[in-house]
Amino acid sequence: DAGITQSPRYKITETGRQVTLMCHQTWSHSYMFWYRQDLGHGLRLIYYSAAADITDKGEVPDGYVVSRSKTENFPLTLESATRSQTSVYFCASSPGLNEQYFGPGTRLTVT
Amino acid sequence: GENVEQHPSTLSVQEGDSAVIKCTYSDSASNYFPWYKQELGKGPQLIIDIRSNVGEKKDQRIAVTLNKTAKHFSLHITETQPEDSAVYFCAAPRANQAGTALIFGKGTTLSVSS
Repeated sequence: DAGITQSPRYKITETGRQVTLMCHQTWSHSYMFWYRQDLGHGLRLIYYSAAADITDKGEVPDGYVVSRSKTENFPLTLESATRSQTSVYFCASSPGLNEQYFGPGTRLTVT
Repeated sequence: GENVEQHPSTLSVQEGDSAVIKCTYSDSASNYFPWYKQELGKGPQLIIDIRSNVGEKKDQRIAVTLNKTAKHFSLHITETQPEDSAVYFCAAPRANQAGTALIFGKGTTLSVSS
């Protein structure tokens, strides 16, 4: 099906573990984004990518790593998870001109 | 950089009433203002947007107005229905960043009671 998907939808991990959240879009949009959503903070931008092999930091990048070897995929890696990274993570894509389309989210709990 | 303030944080209305959510922004160069609706357990969904060359845009029961002088824009929902209950986010372009990065308001939880 066309659209944007995220996996896993739910993840529980332990402090210090590495975890990767996957994002895949079928629209061939140039831009992709990772946000985290926390109560009281709304949506905060972690990283974004303007095209394959082009990424840049957002508002809260510390502790996260991204890559984009293919246009359709934009994985987000937490290299050493901390409890403060417990959150709901949303991936989004955009064809340009600002409109963004969001995935269903991944709820991550770090114990 | 850009800063977006959204009010109110919660809004309760009776079915059939109107609801208005307001956002202010700081960067006078901003030229795109979307509104997103987020239902429980789902990702935000774009419901309407406006660019700075127009003052108002309507789509059935929802409308967005823009006041560039005062640097604020508002979402208007008329004849509210229970299915309008959700969290609504406004956004504006993130200043000094290429492409389409947005900065979001903190959200308004709208509750429509029947």
